[in-house]
Amino acid sequence: GAGVSQSPRYKVAKRGQDVALRCDPISGHVSLFWYQQALGQGPEFLTYFQNEAQLDKSGLPSDRFFAERPEGSVSTLKIQRTQQEDSAVYLCASSYGDGPYEQYFGPGTRLTVT
Amino acid sequence: GENVEQHPSTLSVQEGDSAVIKCTYSDSASNYFPWYKQELGKRPQLIIDIRSNVGEKKDQRIAVTLNKTAKHFSLHITETQPEDSAVYFCAANANTGFQKLVFGTGTRLLVSP
Repeated sequence: GAGVSQSPRYKVAKRGQDVALRCDPISGHVSLFWYQQALGQGPEFLTYFQNEAQLDKSGLPSDRFFAERPEGSVSTLKIQRTQQEDSAVYLCASSYGDGPYEQYFGPGTRLTVT
Repeated sequence: GENVEQHPSTLSVQEGDSAVIKCTYSDSASNYFPWYKQELGKRPQLIIDIRSNVGEKKDQRIAVTLNKTAKHFSLHITETQPEDSAVYFCAANANTGFQKLVFGTGTRLLVSP
């Protein structure tokens, strides 16, 4: 079956603009995670959904970051008033259950804030 | 919270040699330890994982060992090939009820022909 997909793959935003990043998890996967990966670093946890419920948002760096998964499938990560330090690859991962199960990653969205 | 340390940061080997990457974790409640391979510009791909109820797991040329007492786990790649060149990340789950992964800082493996 299809893997995790993300769009757009690349996004360039001017400082202060709002952006929305989309994640389509593997069909039937209950758990969905967002991670941020800075250049040369490992992924860092942002937030976690179990179905439509956002159960952990402890990794969101500021209140400019907001995530939702209203129907328990597709998820959107929104960043308001983007800053240069937001430049990174944003990875989405999905997992069958609430685990621990294998997490399957999408290709990521590379965000560059100019 | 959980903290994962990984070393070395870079590893260069000749084709056919073995490669070993080591990680330590801090939270004794962690019970799931995956390893991901990430090629440049690509998504992290799970290559092997181990749970805390076993000490070793092997899949062809790749093996992982876990020492729960010492809180460290290692990735072993035998008979390395140029296509093994990539960045490898270890991770541990933060077993707080939600299975987020805490990643190491990565090891860049270069296999020279």
